[in-house]
Amino acid sequence: GENVEQHPSTLSVQEGDSAVIKCTYSDSASNYFPWYKQELGKGPQLIIDIRSNVGEKKDQRIAVTLNKTAKHFSLHITETQPEDSAVYFCAPGGGYNKLIFGAGTRLAVHP
Amino acid sequence: DTGVSQDPRHKITKRGQNVTFRCDPISEHNRLYWYRQTLGQGPEFLTYFQNEAQLEKSRLLSDRFSAERPKGSFSTLEIQRTEQGDSAMYLCASSLVGLAGGSSYNEQFFGPGTRLTVL
Repeated sequence: GENVEQHPSTLSVQEGDSAVIKCTYSDSASNYFPWYKQELGKGPQLIIDIRSNVGEKKDQRIAVTLNKTAKHFSLHITETQPEDSAVYFCAPGGGYNKLIFGAGTRLAVHP
Repeated sequence: DTGVSQDPRHKITKRGQNVTFRCDPISEHNRLYWYRQTLGQGPEFLTYFQNEAQLEKSRLLSDRFSAERPKGSFSTLEIQRTEQGDSAMYLCASSLVGLAGGSSYNEQFFGPGTRLTVL
C-alpha cells in the first residue's frame, strides 16, 4: 500500500519566518497532492492542492511544489503568523479515491 | 452553513455498548468518506460511498463496524460492542466527482468530527 512520510514532525519558527514541510510518498500512481491544516478540536481543512501535471502552485503566502520523479511534494508558508500554528497533513491520492494521510507536522509560530 | 456536519460532536460510552454517528455532507456532493483519527496521527481511511453505493472498505473496518448511506445523502456509522481501542475521532468528508471523470479532482471537505471515548 501507499507509504506517506512527512518531515519534520514538529517545526518551530519565529513570526515572519518561512516554514517548509516535505512529504514523500511511494505510490507512483498518485496524481493529486493536497495539504490540510487541522486546528485543535476541528476537522482538517484543505488549504492548497496540486495536480500531477503542475510543478508549483501558489496562493498568497502558501505554495506547494511537486517533484513527481522523486515522489515528494512540499508545503511552503512565507511570512508566518501566529494563526498559522496548527498541524499540517499531506494526503497524496489517486485523484478520485481515498486520501492517505501522513502523520502530520506540528507547526508553532512564536510572536 | 453549507459545510459538512456531524452529530454528535462527542460521545462517551461504556465498553460493549453500541454507538451510531451521523454525517450530513455538503449538499449535492455525491461522495462521502469516513475516516478515523487517533491522537497524534493522521486520519485513516475507513470507507466511502458514491451516492448510496459503498465502494470501498478498509481492513480497519472490522465486522463490528457498519456504514450506510441509504438515500445517497446523509450517512451513519455504527459501531457494535465497542472496545476501548475504538476511542478516536471519527471524521466524515464529502466531495463532488464528475461522472465522466473529467471534472475536478477529489477535493474532500471534512466535518468537525465525532470524538468517541469508550470507558
